[in-house]
Amino acid sequence: NAGVTQTPKFRILKIGQSMTLQCAQDMNHNYMYWYRQDPGMGLKLIYYSVGAGITDKGEVPNGYNVSRSTTEDFPLRLELAAPSQTSVYFCASSYGLAGVYHEQYFGPGTRLTVT
Amino acid sequence: GQQLNQSPQSMFIQEGEDVSMNCTSSSIFNTWLWYKQDPGEGPVLLIALYKAGELTSNGRLTAQFGITRKDSFLNISASIPSDVGIYFCAGQLKGSNYKLTFGKGTLLTVNP
Repeated sequence: NAGVTQTPKFRILKIGQSMTLQCAQDMNHNYMYWYRQDPGMGLKLIYYSVGAGITDKGEVPNGYNVSRSTTEDFPLRLELAAPSQTSVYFCASSYGLAGVYHEQYFGPGTRLTVT
Repeated sequence: GQQLNQSPQSMFIQEGEDVSMNCTSSSIFNTWLWYKQDPGEGPVLLIALYKAGELTSNGRLTAQFGITRKDSFLNISASIPSDVGIYFCAGQLKGSNYKLTFGKGTLLTVNP
């Protein structure tokens, strides 16, 4: 198992450009998440998905979009990149049953700089 | 948003010393998790706690789910240089839908 994989590892964007951060998991997890991590601030939830075709906003969704067409993939789209989106982005996945919580497993991250 | 107060913010210790860190909140949590993050990597799960009062060990690491369900602590015994990293607590709030709230992390430095 590769676990949770993310591409690219690093990216520099100019203000106003757009890009898609890729995330895939091979653990057959139904739940997937996108976080951003800013220095000294812990992780903030951007979007999450409880299964293919179902997504929902997290704590900081503005400026981002997601889709979940398959169980394995959960791409994060940045439209009109802004300097405030400079951060490290982590994708995570977990297996969830109704009323039962399971641990989240994280990818290696994408370090994004917007200049 | 909901806050988890994690302390200390950073620690500098000598190899062989024991370490303790904790997370507190004013809210009730159903699950507590402890993660470690190495530089340039994603967080890796160390210990998961599911019941109030639960005490769980993973090698030299021990974590407890507070009786009030509002706090948790992590102890590392006999620290070694590879323990260096950022340790995060995370909790699933009572009534939340599989979402985690994260502490801001404890940066641990171990001097050999």
